[in-house]
Amino acid sequence: LAKTTQPISMDSYEGQEVNITCSHNNIATNDYITWYQQFPSQGPRFIIQGYKTKVTNEVASLFIPADRKSSTLSLPRVSLSDTAVYYCLVENSSYKLIFGSGTRLLVRP
Amino acid sequence: DAGVIQSPRHEVTEMGQEVTLRCKPISGHDYLFWYRQTMMRGLELLIYFNNNVPIDDSGMPEDRFSAKMPNASFSTLKIQPSEPRDSAVYFCASSFGGGAYEQYFGPGTRLTVT
Repeated sequence: LAKTTQPISMDSYEGQEVNITCSHNNIATNDYITWYQQFPSQGPRFIIQGYKTKVTNEVASLFIPADRKSSTLSLPRVSLSDTAVYYCLVENSSYKLIFGSGTRLLVRP
Repeated sequence: DAGVIQSPRHEVTEMGQEVTLRCKPISGHDYLFWYRQTMMRGLELLIYFNNNVPIDDSGMPEDRFSAKMPNASFSTLKIQPSEPRDSAVYFCASSFGGGAYEQYFGPGTRLTVT
């Protein structure tokens, strides 16, 4: 079954680019890879989704290699308000939805 | 749209009592998901519905848990009887499309069972 792996935590400074990678083997071949942001005492909030290669929206980019065994969320020029926990969400080959364990990002001034 | 609405926001109950959590999805969404979040286990999918029909309930921990979706605008998650290990934050989410497609989460219900 698919297993997702994310770094537990990351530190950054304001204005830097942050890349968070989620490893996910054995995922469904025909479903999106999705990333969420969660602040304390709130529900996860959708950031971006992609199927392959690169997707960019107004807040982030998502890089997915051809083998789809990982995905990298890229946050350009982070600010203090980007301090949060970031999760990847995938569907495994048995069509089960699996959230990653989350990466706690701390942005320092 | 007001987004996904959950009630109550907080629930404190004693072991053995019945607990009912409620969710109103975003209008027009055809998928509804119930998740549980704990420090130890992270975010876990409990059950999801498509067009009000339960599709996958394999994440429901045991028979004490049940979920219903009587219509497109309302769902409940019931725990009977509740146990201290059920203490967690329960999230409802809805989407227009299944799988890992973009989901909109409610604010969650923090359940404490003493």
